[in-house]
Amino acid sequence: SQTIHQWPATLVQPVGSPLSLECTVEGTSNPNLYWYRQAAGRGLQLLFYSVGIGQISSEVPQNLSASRPQDRQFILSSKKLLLSDSGFYLCAWMGYGQNTEAFFGQGTRLTVV
Amino acid sequence: DAKTTQPPSMDCAEGRAANLPCNHSTISGNEYVYWYRQIHSQGPQYIIHGLKNNETNEMASLIITEDRKSSTLILPHATLRDTAVYYCIVNSGYALNFGKGTSLLVTP
Repeated sequence: SQTIHQWPATLVQPVGSPLSLECTVEGTSNPNLYWYRQAAGRGLQLLFYSVGIGQISSEVPQNLSASRPQDRQFILSSKKLLLSDSGFYLCAWMGYGQNTEAFFGQGTRLTVV
Repeated sequence: DAKTTQPPSMDCAEGRAANLPCNHSTISGNEYVYWYRQIHSQGPQYIIHGLKNNETNEMASLIITEDRKSSTLILPHATLRDTAVYYCIVNSGYALNFGKGTSLLVTP
């Protein structure tokens, strides 16, 4: 069966520090991968998605970047965190096509102080 | 991607049916309608999806209008644990845009 791993669960980082969140998927090949952010009391904002290794689409210009160095690995990064980067970050994967559901990781709650 | 419109909030009495509407007037012929829900501080959970026909599973029923421009998610007997934010999404096969969803409050 497919599983998705996302870590860490919580993170407190100072302003200006770098960020690296990792997401890995097991049990599937060539998934579509997604990074979302949810600010407190807000909806899910799609940040990046990837349909293959090295292929990244950015939905919202911001202080973050994403990379997909391997088929089942998706990394969210920042060189210098801002206070506004605080939020709940979720990784998700979905199979190819429109008749397939998305599966979400447990999320990382990031607090920038 | 087709956009969706949902009411921001709804209430439902425990044991009653909860009917959550969604408008997706710009949906394309090959795009599926998906419903997810998110309980506080957790990742979204898949509920149900459909293309043209009505669908039912152990969690809910999905009613899609004949012109496919709107749909309704039905929770037949809502429980307190169904209190969550419900998202209606049109799946183009690439970007999944969740929007703001409907916050459903099930009351005793």
